Amino acid sequence: SQQGEEDPQALSIQEGENATMNCSYKTSINNLQWYRQNSGRGLVHLILIRSNEREKHSGRLRVTLDTSKKSSSLLITASRAADTASYFCATAIPKSRRALTFGSGTRLQVQP
Amino acid sequence: GAVVSQHPSWVICKSGTSVKIECRSLDFQATTMFWYRQFPKQSLMLMATSNEGSKATYEQGVEKDKFLINHASLTLSTLTVTSAHPEDSSFYICSARDSGGTYEQYFGPGTRLTVT
Repeated sequence: SQQGEEDPQALSIQEGENATMNCSYKTSINNLQWYRQNSGRGLVHLILIRSNEREKHSGRLRVTLDTSKKSSSLLITASRAADTASYFCATAIPKSRRALTFGSGTRLQVQP
Repeated sequence: GAVVSQHPSWVICKSGTSVKIECRSLDFQATTMFWYRQFPKQSLMLMATSNEGSKATYEQGVEKDKFLINHASLTLSTLTVTSAHPEDSSFYICSARDSGGTYEQYFGPGTRLTVT
């Protein structure tokens, strides 16, 4: 079963605008990761944030993690048409060799 | 960087036939690999955990006799969809856990299965 939910489920913005996606999860985690998936393609790993981190940056990406609220957000600044994709958060459970658990995903459409 | 390959990248088969999908870790060893399934516009759902040298562990609701998993070496896991039906049409993605110390998971590019 899915660990949590992402919102919004779908987001449509204009090029140059910022896009924010949120992810909630249910159990304690070791880390949280964000992935991008272009339509019909494989996953691209974007960024990993550990449970003891609150914020992390990578290029135009900014990820926050609030373990007290069991939530994370992904901000894409100055969006481009090429950012059009589905975005998923995924969590890893501490001391577990289990697979990553994925959120329901946000479908982002960036209009040129 | 760590690379995981899948073969084939896409396959079309007739209802009732079996299809084998391979997942290989190219530059690291993986005692554990995972198989996910993704239906259109949905998220990835874990199907099973593939363990080298032992039986796979299946998630609730996944038929082990229909989705046969073999993990015969430290770099290869196979998923065989037996007696495929149109409802098995999906995107199948594997991931491999690096057992060399990092325990990071790396994802394959996926296999698109279409059953006609």
